[in-house]
Amino acid sequence: DTGVSQNPRHKITKRGQNVTFRCDPISEHNRLYWYRQTLGQGPEFLTYFQNEAQLEKSRLLSDRFSAERPKGSFSTLEIQRTEQGDSAMYLCASSLALQGVNEKLFFGSGTQLSVL
Amino acid sequence: QKEVEQDPGPLSVPEGAIVSLNCTYSNSAFQYFMWYRQYSRKGPELLMYTYSSGNKEDGRFTAQVDKSSKYISLFIRDSQPSDSATYLCAMTLNTGNQFYFGTGTSLTVIP
Repeated sequence: DTGVSQNPRHKITKRGQNVTFRCDPISEHNRLYWYRQTLGQGPEFLTYFQNEAQLEKSRLLSDRFSAERPKGSFSTLEIQRTEQGDSAMYLCASSLALQGVNEKLFFGSGTQLSVL
Repeated sequence: QKEVEQDPGPLSVPEGAIVSLNCTYSNSAFQYFMWYRQYSRKGPELLMYTYSSGNKEDGRFTAQVDKSSKYISLFIRDSQPSDSATYLCAMTLNTGNQFYFGTGTSLTVIP
């Protein structure tokens, strides 16, 4: 399978605990995005990387959230001191961004987080 | 006002019907328009991609863009039960990084 891979698929945690999600993008893609999606809503942008550089973070992103893409390949998203409002589907997407080429996002299946 | 507006539905149609899904947007600078299909508990899957006004057809799916009215549509002909999913519209300003999504329309095709 050469698509975007996310692990774990589901995560149940208690309020106050830290959680970490992993995303493996399509191998030749240079951009990687994290989105959050709640029921009945479209994906909400969190942050994105171009290679290993984190170029933008949403203003809505709490400082409890941190993301890394250390070698420009896989990425991790960590949420510290989880709150019930963090319960959502966390989606990773990757794309090949080249000048003159229309960028298309390819999503993984997501990690469903439930904070009890 | 949201950048992208989409009727959440739900929409329920009999098998074989023609389905019309729509989005409106407020920013006339949007240039690239996409439709994603999302099955329950799965990530969105890119269905259609277009960057100009007019129609683009792919099998049973037709994407239509009217930039003068800031309105895009997705038509599904001969709808099948396997088309039952949530359909998200998305758009970008250029080849940059900002993708704006609608809230999605839930579609059920009844056999």
